[in-house]
Amino acid sequence: GENVEQHPSTLSVQEGDSAVIKCTYSDSASNYFPWYKQELGKGPQLIIDIRSNVGEKKDQRIAVTLNKTAKHFSLHITETQPEDSAVYFCAAMGGNEKLTFGTGTRLTIIP
Amino acid sequence: DAGVIQSPRHEVTEMGQEVTLRCKPISGHDYLFWYRQTMMRGLELLIYFNNNVPIDDSGMPEDRFSAKMPNASFSTLKIQPSEPRDSAVYFCAGYRGGTIYFGEGSWLTVV
Repeated sequence: GENVEQHPSTLSVQEGDSAVIKCTYSDSASNYFPWYKQELGKGPQLIIDIRSNVGEKKDQRIAVTLNKTAKHFSLHITETQPEDSAVYFCAAMGGNEKLTFGTGTRLTIIP
Repeated sequence: DAGVIQSPRHEVTEMGQEVTLRCKPISGHDYLFWYRQTMMRGLELLIYFNNNVPIDDSGMPEDRFSAKMPNASFSTLKIQPSEPRDSAVYFCAGYRGGTIYFGEGSWLTVV
C-alpha cells in the first residue's frame, strides 16, 4: 500500500518568513495530493491540492509543488501570519480513492 | 450545504459500554470514510463506503468495531464493547468533486 512520509515534524518560523513542508510517497499510481490544516479541536480542513498532471499550484500565500519522478511534493507558505499556526498534513490518493496521510507538521509562527 | 456533520462531538463512557458514532455526509457525495486519529498512530483509515456499500474495512482494528451506511445520508461507527485504548478522535469524511472533506470529529474517551 501507499506510504507517505512528512518532514519536519515541527517547524517554527518568524512571522513574515516562509515555511516549507515536504512529503514523499511510495505508490507511483497515486495521482492526487491534498494538504490539510488542522487547528486544535477541529477536523482537518483542505487548504490546497494538486493532481498529477500539474507541477505547481498557487493560491494566494500558499503553493504546492509536485515532482512525480522523484515522488515528492511540498507545501510553501509565504508571508506567514500567526493564524497559520496549526498542524499540517499531506496526503496521497491512488485510483481507489483511499487517502494515506503523512504524520503531520506542527507549524508555529513566532510573532 | 452544511458539510459533514458528526455526533456526538464528545463522549465519555465506561469500559465495556457500547459506543455509537454518527455521521451525516455531504449531500451528493458518493464515498464516505471513517478515520481515527491518535497521537501515536496519526490519522488512520478504518473503513470506507462507495454508494453505501463497504469497499474496504481492512483498517478496522478488530471485531469490536463495525460500521454501517443504511442510506446515502447516514452512517454509524459502533464499538462494542469499548476499551480504554479506543480513546481517540473519530472523523467522518465525504468525497465530492475529487476532494475529501472532513467533519469536526467525535472525541471519544473510554475510562
